[in-house]
Amino acid sequence: KNQVEQSPQSLIILEGKNCTLQCNYTVSPFSNLRWYKQDTGRGPVSLTIMTFSENTKSNGRYTATLDADTKQSSLHITASQLSDSASYICVVTSNFGNEKLTFGTGTRLTIIP
Amino acid sequence: EAQVTQNPRYLITVTGKKLTVTCSQNMNHEYMSWYRQDPGLGLRQIYYSMNVEVTDKGDVPEGYKVSRKEKRNFPLILESPSPNQTSLYFCASSLYGQGGTEAFFGQGTRLTVV
Repeated sequence: KNQVEQSPQSLIILEGKNCTLQCNYTVSPFSNLRWYKQDTGRGPVSLTIMTFSENTKSNGRYTATLDADTKQSSLHITASQLSDSASYICVVTSNFGNEKLTFGTGTRLTIIP
Repeated sequence: EAQVTQNPRYLITVTGKKLTVTCSQNMNHEYMSWYRQDPGLGLRQIYYSMNVEVTDKGDVPEGYKVSRKEKRNFPLILESPSPNQTSLYFCASSLYGQGGTEAFFGQGTRLTVV
């Protein structure tokens, strides 16, 4: 069964600090992996997308890594800001048939001043 | 501005009273879909549409209907809502497919069925 597990479930850090969120998946066959940011009460917004051959991709202070061998991804946030407070969702696409998406349950990140 | 628009944002209704949640996109996307988001669960797909007049079931289609008469619109219909359909609903669109191109999500509709 295709699954995406994220850890930690929630995280609280001080403004200005760095943090890393984890995503482990068992989706097969693998097509791509995305990280989404979801502000409270809003729809998810894509941060990065990585295919099988990509190890690292950055979007400003967000850097995603992918290890397709161990089926793990991480999202590193540098110099956190209050506006980074949100849920971060890992989504893995399987290229079997109709490109099935499997969503993680997200990590709830809170940045405190 | 490129966007996906859902209406209403909030809805409280009673069991059995038919309702429709509208979704419209202005990006000429072929692919549209509906998801529900519940606490402790990832987004789950309800229905999707590859193009006009082409719709198919997602993971949790029971109790829902959709239609795709025009490319820009993809309404979600609950013929006889029940309390277990209380949830946060998102409409999404992408140029084509599910994962190959970026999905753009609407702002969400919080539905409460009493």
